[in-house]
Amino acid sequence: KAGVTQTPRYLIKTRGQQVTLSCSPISGHRSVSWYQQTPGQGLQFLFEYFSETQRNKGNFPGRFSGRQFSNSRSEMNVSTLELGDSALYLCASSHPRDRWDGYTFGSGTRLTVV
Amino acid sequence: DAKTTQPNSMESNEEEPVHLPCNHSTISGTDYIHWYRQLPSQGPEYVIHGLTSNVNNRMASLAIAEDRKSSTLILHRATLRDAAVYYCILNSGGSNYKLTFGKGTLLTVNP
Repeated sequence: KAGVTQTPRYLIKTRGQQVTLSCSPISGHRSVSWYQQTPGQGLQFLFEYFSETQRNKGNFPGRFSGRQFSNSRSEMNVSTLELGDSALYLCASSHPRDRWDGYTFGSGTRLTVV
Repeated sequence: DAKTTQPNSMESNEEEPVHLPCNHSTISGTDYIHWYRQLPSQGPEYVIHGLTSNVNNRMASLAIAEDRKSSTLILHRATLRDAAVYYCILNSGGSNYKLTFGKGTLLTVNP
């Protein structure tokens, strides 16, 4: 089966700009989560969506936002980029709890803010 | 989320078994024990999870202590492809739809 697809793979942006990252989950997976990975902080949870509703949110500023579409695809947006937002952004999808078999992660989008 | 403690790094030889320990002394009764691994330049990969009983799948085995305060991920025959950071994570399910990653254990596999 096709895996979790994240686009783009690499991105370079300038401070102050905004960016939108995309995630297409595995077919049939309705839950999509986003994580940020940096060398200093490791993997940190951003938010999780199910059926277009945000169910959980991590401890990130309001500049970080996301949404999920009716086909379960998800996007996350970061506005007013800061140098510290440079990171690997990972998306994960999963089945609902009654069919849960782990989260499947994409390969991530590497964002560099200059 | 309850905290887990793992060694920073471990080393193994190819084709030998590897036992990766994880301590979680504050685990609650509803916490599942999850293991993920992250190979270089890739996203984390689900390995295995369990609640109380030992679990086996095609990738690994999970041995859970009777008091559930510790667990061990067992790779039966390490290969070079198993070199990765291994994360032990507790997740209570329910309305908690997130994984809280620690620093994990960096496993080096020697040829």
